[in-house]
Amino acid sequence: GAGVSQSPSNKVTEKGKDVELRCDPISGHTALYWYRQSLGQGLEFLIYFQGNSAPDKSGLPSDRFSAERTGGSVSTLTIQRTQQEDSAVYLCASSWNPTNEQFFGPGTRLTVL
Amino acid sequence: ELKVEQNPLFLSMQEGKNYTIYCNYSTTSDRLYWYRQDPGKSLESLFVLLSNGAVKQEGRLMASLDTKARLSTLHITAAVHDLSATYFCAVHSLKAAGNKLTFGGGTRVLVKP
Repeated sequence: GAGVSQSPSNKVTEKGKDVELRCDPISGHTALYWYRQSLGQGLEFLIYFQGNSAPDKSGLPSDRFSAERTGGSVSTLTIQRTQQEDSAVYLCASSWNPTNEQFFGPGTRLTVL
Repeated sequence: ELKVEQNPLFLSMQEGKNYTIYCNYSTTSDRLYWYRQDPGKSLESLFVLLSNGAVKQEGRLMASLDTKARLSTLHITAAVHDLSATYFCAVHSLKAAGNKLTFGGGTRVLVKP
């Protein structure tokens, strides 16, 4: 079946602009995660959604970052007023439930000029 | 705070020889994962280890878990060029870190002929 998909695959933006990154999880997966992979910081957790529960936002680096998950499926990660340090690959993952294996999408490479 | 450390960070291998990557973590774990990442690609799941003494093997790769020592190893037998990639371990510990994965820093493997 279809895996986790993300769009766009690449995004180049100017400092100060807002960007939206999209994640389509595997159908039926109730848990959805966002991670960030950057050279200096490795792989970092950003935010986690589980069903209708309040999301775990403990990994969001600043209030410029937000995410939502509509209808328990698609998720959008929004970065406002982008900074150069936001440049990274943003990975989305989903799983049947929080204790099951996470499957990762191909990522969105964000470059902030 | 859960910390996950991998070593070495870089491993230059000769084809046909055996090597081991180590993953240490700081608190109790529920599950330990090994992932492979090729350049520019996402994370591919290799193994999920659940309990003390667990051992899993796939081809030339074998992973083991010692929960008492808080150590997992990824052993590569008779390395071949196709195994060149970056390998990550990741720990899921509900008690220590909630439902997110905490990743090691990765081990970049380069297999030379």
